[in-house]
Amino acid sequence: DGGITQSPKYLFRKEGQNVTLSCEQNLNHDAMYWYRQDPGQGLRLIYYSQIVNDFQKGDIAEGYSVSREKKESFPLTVTSAQKNPTAFYLCASISKQGRTEAFFGQGTRLTVV
Amino acid sequence: RKEVEQDPGPFNVPEGATVAFNCTYSNSASQSFFWYRQDCRKEPKLLMSVYSSGNEDGRFTAQLNRASQYISLLIRDSKLSDSATYLCVVNSGRNFNKFYFGSGTKLNVKP
Repeated sequence: DGGITQSPKYLFRKEGQNVTLSCEQNLNHDAMYWYRQDPGQGLRLIYYSQIVNDFQKGDIAEGYSVSREKKESFPLTVTSAQKNPTAFYLCASISKQGRTEAFFGQGTRLTVV
Repeated sequence: RKEVEQDPGPFNVPEGATVAFNCTYSNSASQSFFWYRQDCRKEPKLLMSVYSSGNEDGRFTAQLNRASQYISLLIRDSKLSDSATYLCVVNSGRNFNKFYFGSGTKLNVKP
């Protein structure tokens, strides 16, 4: 079955640590996105990538980094520079052909301890 | 001004009621519009796309008003299982580069 997979589902980070969230899709989608969601809030765009080896900052990119070395993969690193990283992180992918809705992974819930 | 704005609710309605949500968007060049449903602590899932001519899927009807820059979602004969947060989503970028999400409208359907 085609889909988009995020891992891990839950992640605990100590202050000052970098952590990487995985996002893999086998939908052959060109564009991939990372969003952050805080309790009772909407989704805010962190980074997006429309093509391999290219990515753009979203609205809240500070303290995050990404890479897009393969079409299927778009990992997000939450660095120690991100002062308030506890949140629900969602990865999405979109096809540029045909239907253009976003498909989401199941999310990673990151907690700083 | 936010790209997409929604009334956060909550809307508390009895089973069988009809309920309507509106969402406004700021970019008149926006191209694609969607309603997503998000259950508590889960990822958003596509409920329906919104087309210029309006579209219906069972109990759900979505409409787009480009002149006034809003989209709407109507739910008829509400079920308990409709309780969720409904997110309005607008694609405002050329080449599909930016999806903007509203903060969501919470619906509670009560027996």
